Amino acid sequence: KNQVEQSPQSLIILEGKNCTLQCNYTVSPFSNLRWYKQDTGRGPVSLTIMTFSENTKSNGRYTATLDADTKQSSLHITASQLSDSASYICVVSGMGTYKYIFGTGTRLKVLA
Amino acid sequence: DGGITQSPKYLFRKEGQNVTLSCEQNLNHDAMYWYRQDPGQGLRLIYYSQIVNDFQKGDIAEGYSVSREKKESFPLTVTSAQKNPTAFYLCASSSGRIVDNEQFFGPGTRLTVL
Repeated sequence: KNQVEQSPQSLIILEGKNCTLQCNYTVSPFSNLRWYKQDTGRGPVSLTIMTFSENTKSNGRYTATLDADTKQSSLHITASQLSDSASYICVVSGMGTYKYIFGTGTRLKVLA
Repeated sequence: DGGITQSPKYLFRKEGQNVTLSCEQNLNHDAMYWYRQDPGQGLRLIYYSQIVNDFQKGDIAEGYSVSREKKESFPLTVTSAQKNPTAFYLCASSSGRIVDNEQFFGPGTRLTVL
């Protein structure tokens, strides 16, 4: 069964600190993996996309890594800001399909 | 501005009523999707359409219906047969190209059944 699991479910950190969110998946055959940021009551917005051959990709203070062998990805947030408070969703799509498998998300709260 | 719009932002429905959620995109995308989001759960696919005049059921299609008469529009009707319709509904679109099929999401519609 195709699944995407994220950890932790929720996380609280102080402004300026770094954090790492985890995503494990069982989707096969694999096409790509995306990290989305979703503010409360809004639609998700894409942060990064990674294909099979990519190990790391950065978008400003966000850095995603992918290990296709172990089927794990992480999203590292550097020097967190209050505006980083949101849910972060890992989404995996399979090869040759229009379907996307969504994780349940990690809810991040950044405190001043 | 290019993007996806959803309306209304908030919708209240009495039990037994059908309601229709609007989704429009001007990205010239072939594929469009409807998802339902509940607290503590990942997005669940209701319906998707890869091309005009064609659509397929997702994982939780019961109690919902859609149409795709125009490329830019994909309305979702929540019927009285949907037993627990209170949720946050998200519409998305993608270019449909398999190798780079990023989904772009609308702002969502929060439906509450009174």
